[in-house]
Amino acid sequence: EPEVTQTPSHQVTQMGQEVILRCVPISNHLYFYWYRQILGQKVEFLVSFYNNEISEKSEIFDDQFSVERPDGSNFTLKIRSTKLEDSAMYFCASGDPSRGTNYGYTFGSGTRLTVV
Amino acid sequence: LAKTTQPISMDSYEGQEVNITCSHNNIATNDYITWYQQFPSQGPRFIIQGYKTKVTNEVASLFIPADRKSSTLSLPRVSLSDTAVYYCLVGDTGFQKLVFGTGTRLLVSP
Repeated sequence: EPEVTQTPSHQVTQMGQEVILRCVPISNHLYFYWYRQILGQKVEFLVSFYNNEISEKSEIFDDQFSVERPDGSNFTLKIRSTKLEDSAMYFCASGDPSRGTNYGYTFGSGTRLTVV
Repeated sequence: LAKTTQPISMDSYEGQEVNITCSHNNIATNDYITWYQQFPSQGPRFIIQGYKTKVTNEVASLFIPADRKSSTLSLPRVSLSDTAVYYCLVGDTGFQKLVFGTGTRLLVSP
């Protein structure tokens, strides 16, 4: 079964540093998302990306966040100046329009970001 | 997006059938009901989706009454590996964002 691959699985960074979280979505998917989950809390939507641009973003996704699809396979989330409260699991997801509805959502295993 | 309410936690034993009910009183005509499963330190995984009546796949069944104000996820003969958080989501089709609630934490014991 095709997978969404995320790297690294765990990243520790110092407050104020920039981090880039990487995702390789399923190859024929066209919709891409980032979600995050702070320990013990809900899974929260950050941003959706389609046709090489952001289609929707949440209040969490402020100016310190950016997304990019630099080539045909990778989808990245950059956090410019990390804060302690950015510590969370970050999940990438992708969607397949040919399957329609929410069948198309496949999540990766996540990157655990720890800001110290 | 319709608000959903589901139990915070449930306990079961191996081999039992587990039914998790979700209330969604404000469901809209175009909304589908979708259930996801999440294991610790993993991303959510799609389980099943339905619009009305009953849907069954290799993993679970989904029962939706005629008024669609609630739905029940049924897991037949659970095993220890079914211990996870189960989320009920309600929304229109398409590729809009998913809005997760707190889910139901299912603990399956031997």
